[in-house]
Amino acid sequence: NAGVTQTPKFQVLKTGQSMTLQCAQDMNHNSMYWYRQDPGMGLRLIYYSASEGTTDKGEVPNGYNVSRLNKREFSLRLESAAPSQTSVYFCASSEELPKFHYTFGSGTRLTVV
Amino acid sequence: AQKITQTQPGMFVQEKEAVTLDCTYDTSDPSYGLFWYKQPSSGEMIFLIYQGSYDQQNATEGRYSLNFQKARKSANLVISASQLGDSAMYFCAMTNSGGGADGLTFGKGTHLIIQP
Repeated sequence: NAGVTQTPKFQVLKTGQSMTLQCAQDMNHNSMYWYRQDPGMGLRLIYYSASEGTTDKGEVPNGYNVSRLNKREFSLRLESAAPSQTSVYFCASSEELPKFHYTFGSGTRLTVV
Repeated sequence: AQKITQTQPGMFVQEKEAVTLDCTYDTSDPSYGLFWYKQPSSGEMIFLIYQGSYDQQNATEGRYSLNFQKARKSANLVISASQLGDSAMYFCAMTNSGGGADGLTFGKGTHLIIQP
């Protein structure tokens, strides 16, 4: 099925460990995004890539890096995980025409202990 | 910067009643898009409805309609004839200043519980 695929679905890290969250979309969308969702909060934008070859910071970029590997793939890296990064992470992609439509992955639940 | 405010943290509604979920927004951009998403307990984000700032008519999608009042900067979601399966978190969101390619700003959500 066409959509956004995130891996892994669950992950437990120790403080200071690193990991990369993977995201791929097969809808030929230009723009891709990483969000985090904390309890009682809506989604907050970490980084986005408006087109292949570009990346930009969102609202909460500290502690994260991203790579737009190609048009399909957009990864999020935690270099040194902290307990404050315990969250649910969503990847999304969007198309503009005829109107903006965002498709979200199923999420990655990350716990940092 | 965009801002979304959802003032109802939680709502209890009787099955088959209509529901209105409130959303106000703030932006200085003349062009923007407004979205509503449903997040059931399973966690996925489900798109419900979209309203463009220049759309002349309020958006409708099946049992969902968006009551768009541009002068009040209000974009309330109306669910007609609520069902038990409508119990979920509901998020209002709007496009960021770059026109949408730079992502969405979300409100904190409303937890809707439909009672039989």
